[in-house]
Amino acid sequence: NAGVTQTPKFQVLKTGQSMTLQCAQDMNHNSMYWYRQDPGMGLRLIYYSASEGTTDKGEVPNGYNVSRLNKREFSLRLESAAPSQTSVYFCASRDLTSGNQPQHFGDGTRLSIL
Amino acid sequence: DQQVKQNSPSLSVQEGRISILNCDYTNSMFDYFLWYKKYPAEGPTFLISISSIKDKNEDGRFTVFLNKSAKHLSLHIVPSQPGDSAVYFCAASARSGGGADGLTFGKGTHLIIQP
Repeated sequence: NAGVTQTPKFQVLKTGQSMTLQCAQDMNHNSMYWYRQDPGMGLRLIYYSASEGTTDKGEVPNGYNVSRLNKREFSLRLESAAPSQTSVYFCASRDLTSGNQPQHFGDGTRLSIL
Repeated sequence: DQQVKQNSPSLSVQEGRISILNCDYTNSMFDYFLWYKKYPAEGPTFLISISSIKDKNEDGRFTVFLNKSAKHLSLHIVPSQPGDSAVYFCAASARSGGGADGLTFGKGTHLIIQP
């Protein structure tokens, strides 16, 4: 079972470069999420998509854009990467059709901005 | 302003004993609470959850207790096993059921099970 798949797993960028992080889920979930995790910190929400065609800002959206391409895929774009965006990025999805359900996470993309 | 707090960065417990991980929250709108387990270089894995209408939820060796008046929850692991060594995150959501808002996480507690 693939669950939530994130690509790439690792990436090194130079300041000012752009990059798109990909996420796909095969669980037919409605909602998808992007988080970042910095050392010694919990995960912080960047953007989320409650359903196909909708996106909303989370706690730390500055410097990022997202696209909900279809029900399966939710991408995160850094238009002009900055060193402060060095982090581990996690994508998650959740089923909203049956009451309280947990979010399921991918294994992350480790991004370094030089 | 941290809305979900895990005040113990690390906890060491002997194998076979009980592990108790604590979490406090400040937002009274939170109504769904979860615990996630995370190994290095992997994503968080869902462990157990509890709705605000309950005060206890049990799943095998794992039990979560919720004290709404104190805005406190705890995760009990009995008995602790070596494979339980990981970082545990407490998380909360402000809208259950139809809400699609993301989770608010604590900073995590690194649980170390000693042989």
